Formats: sequence, structure tokens, C-alpha cells
Amino acid sequence: GQQVMQIPQYQHVQEGEDFTTYCNSSTTLSNIQWYKQRPGGHPVFLIQLVKSGEVKKQKRLTFQFGEAKKNSSLHITATQTTDVGTYFCGGRVAAGNKLTFGGGTRVLVKP
Amino acid sequence: DAGITQSPRHKVTETGTPVTLRCHQTENHRYMYWYRQDPGHGLRLIHYSYGVKDTDKGEVSDGYSVSRSKTEDFLLTLESATSSQTSVYFCAISDPARNRTDTQYFGPGTRLTVL
Repeated sequence: GQQVMQIPQYQHVQEGEDFTTYCNSSTTLSNIQWYKQRPGGHPVFLIQLVKSGEVKKQKRLTFQFGEAKKNSSLHITATQTTDVGTYFCGGRVAAGNKLTFGGGTRVLVKP
Repeated sequence: DAGITQSPRHKVTETGTPVTLRCHQTENHRYMYWYRQDPGHGLRLIHYSYGVKDTDKGEVSDGYSVSRSKTEDFLLTLESATSSQTSVYFCAISDPARNRTDTQYFGPGTRLTVL
């Protein structure tokens, strides 16, 4: 079945530094969504990417969908303590179908 | 946040006992989902529903059953709980007819411990 892998599993970042987390699917995706879960909280939707090569920005967060629609990345610039949490990607094989989530990247920020 | 509640929020039970978790929504969303979250495994889909009385299995459905008799309620039942079912359970809702991106909105979660 469809598998979605995220790397790294953990990311320790110095405040102010940049980092990137990656999401790779075993199959071509219709679209991919990213969610953020704060410690002790529930996942919250960040963004959806649909088109091949699509790039979207939300303030310091840049999301990219690969040309083959099998991978995606999230890049955070100038990391802040508010970025702490676990970031999940979820891929859809077909529109309207269920999401398959990756294992998440847990981000810890050192002040 | 979307109007999603889960009950109970915490539960400790013993191996072999039946457990039912409830998800209640006030958003009238068509789709409802049950996930479990475990360290290193992310969010894994247990079962989902695409309408009243319409349900389907996810990737980790063994040992779980669900029911949806009303649009607003989605029940997850562990017929005979095992220690491997100790986890945090999240309910989610979505409706592509209402939301172009078919965003999933998650409930607050239920922490279940099976001793």
C-alpha cells in the first residue's frame, strides 16, 4: 500500500537558524497537505499543494511539491520558539480519498 | 477550531475489557476519521466514515470497530482492549463540498492506557 516517509524524525534547531523537513511518497500523489501539532495539542492544517513543482509561502515557512508529485518539503527560515512542534505531511492518491500521513518531524528549538 | 469534541479525554482500562470512544461534531461535515498516534508512527488511520452508516477500514483496523448512526457522532470500539492499543486517539472531520482543500479538522484527542 501507499507509504509516506518523513525525514528527519527529530530536528534540533538553534533559534534563528533555518531547517528543512522532507516528505517522500511511494506513489504519485494527487495532492499533499501539511499539518502542525504543538506539544500536547492536536494537528492543525497549514497548507495544501496540488500542482507539480508548486511553491507556497506562509511568512517564514516555504512549502514545495516535487515535479514528480512524489515528494514535498517544508523549509523554515529564522526558526523561532513558536515553531516548536511536530510537522506532518499527508498525501492523497486521488482527490477526495483519505490522507496517508508520514511519521512526522518533531522540531525542538534551542534558545 | 472546528466544533469537535472527544470523550473521554483520558481513560485507563484493563486488558480484555471493551472500550468505546466517542467523537461528536457540530459542523455537519460528511467525513469522519479515527486515527491513532504513536511515537515514530505518526498518525495512522483506523477507520473512516463517508456518511451515516457508511464506513471503511484504514491501515490499522484490526481489533477496532466503528459505528456512525448520526451525522454528528462517530464511535470507535475496542471489543477487547490489548496493551498494544495504548495510544492517543484522534478524531478528524472533513467535507470537500464545504472546503476546497478538504482540510481535516482534528479533535483534542483521547489518551487511552490499557494495563
